[in-house]
Amino acid sequence: EPEVTQTPSHQVTQMGQEVILRCVPISNHLYFYWYRQILGQKVEFLVSFYNNEISEKSEIFDDQFSVERPDGSNFTLKIRSTKLEDSAMYFCASSVGTGNDEQYFGPGTRLTVT
Amino acid sequence: AQTVTQSQPEMSVQEAETVTLSCTYDTSESDYYLFWYKQPPSRQMILVIRQEAYKQQNATENRFSVNFQKAAKSFSLKISDSQLGDAAMYFCALNRYNTNAGKSTFGDGTTLTVKP
Repeated sequence: EPEVTQTPSHQVTQMGQEVILRCVPISNHLYFYWYRQILGQKVEFLVSFYNNEISEKSEIFDDQFSVERPDGSNFTLKIRSTKLEDSAMYFCASSVGTGNDEQYFGPGTRLTVT
Repeated sequence: AQTVTQSQPEMSVQEAETVTLSCTYDTSESDYYLFWYKQPPSRQMILVIRQEAYKQQNATENRFSVNFQKAAKSFSLKISDSQLGDAAMYFCALNRYNTNAGKSTFGDGTTLTVKP
């Protein structure tokens, strides 16, 4: 069964450093998402991406964040200058369509900022 | 803005018994979709069941069923014949109907413990 993959599974970085989290969505999916989950808290929407552009973003997704689909398979989330409060689990998801279409989630990348 | 509220941080159930997890939501949209996701200790989010708001019939998926009350904006999940593998955190989520975005709004989650 096709699945969303994410790398790395765990990333440790120092405050102020740039990180890139990588995702490979399911190949025939057209919509891509990033969510984050601070330990013990709810899953929060960051951004959705369709047709090579951001379709929606939350207030969390400020200028420090960017997303890119550099080729036909990868979907990346970049945090330019990490802060301690960026420590969280970051989930990538993809779906064929929107609305009722199931979002398939990746296993997540645990980001630890020290 | 849309919100999802899960008022039960933790629930427990005896193996083979039935448990109901509560979820209420608020949205100004008339078309939307509701989901229950399961997140086991591995942290992978897995879709359990979905419901289209325009459908009056409650969705069922094997041992999982929902009680969707649109007027009350309530969407509870019933797990019948609970199994040890059902132990996980369960999230209720809301998607509004939008042709260009599928943002999901999640509740805080309910941790379900299944006792043998």
